[in-house]
Amino acid sequence: KQEVTQIPAALSVPEGENLVLNCSFTDSAIYNLQWFRQDPGKGLTSLLLIQSSQREQTSGRLNASLDKSSGRSTLYIAASQPGDSATYLCAVKGEGGSEKLVFGKGTKLTVNP
Amino acid sequence: EAQVTQNPRYLITVTGKKLTVTCSQNMNHEYMSWYRQDPGLGLRQIYYSMNVEVTDKGDVPEGYKVSRKEKRNFPLILESPSPNQTSLYFCASSLGLSETGELFFGEGSRLTVL
Repeated sequence: KQEVTQIPAALSVPEGENLVLNCSFTDSAIYNLQWFRQDPGKGLTSLLLIQSSQREQTSGRLNASLDKSSGRSTLYIAASQPGDSATYLCAVKGEGGSEKLVFGKGTKLTVNP
Repeated sequence: EAQVTQNPRYLITVTGKKLTVTCSQNMNHEYMSWYRQDPGLGLRQIYYSMNVEVTDKGDVPEGYKVSRKEKRNFPLILESPSPNQTSLYFCASSLGLSETGELFFGEGSRLTVL
């Protein structure tokens, strides 16, 4: 059974720092991996989607990498801003047409001005 | 605007009073799903639907029902709500789970059962 872990559960950094959020999964037979952002009391917003054949995806100040063989993904945020404060979740989809998404519990990021 | 819309956003009800949370998407997505989110437990899938008239149980289906009569709508039904169903509920959709499309979420429905 696929398990997704995100460590640390919470992270606090000063504005301007570059930071890395981690996501690990136990079964490397994945179809894709998706990073989400969730603001308090709000829904999840998709940030980046990495297919199993890809190594990384970039969007603005965000860069997500995927290492299937080691069961790891990282989300790199450059030049962090207070507006980046949110909970970041990763989710993996297993191989096969009907495999569901398995979510990590998220990392709560606080960027201090 | 492409979106997933849930209603109501907030609801307080009492034990045993049937309620329905509606979910509608305007992206012609085949796949739709319901999740509940609880502190310390993360997101857990309740039910999902691969297409019209096709629904399947997720990880925590007990106490819930769903239907998928039309492609755009996927209501969540609580026939006899209990306090342990107090939670934040999310509806989500994607082009098709077998596709590479990303998952889109609604804004959430916060339900309190007294």
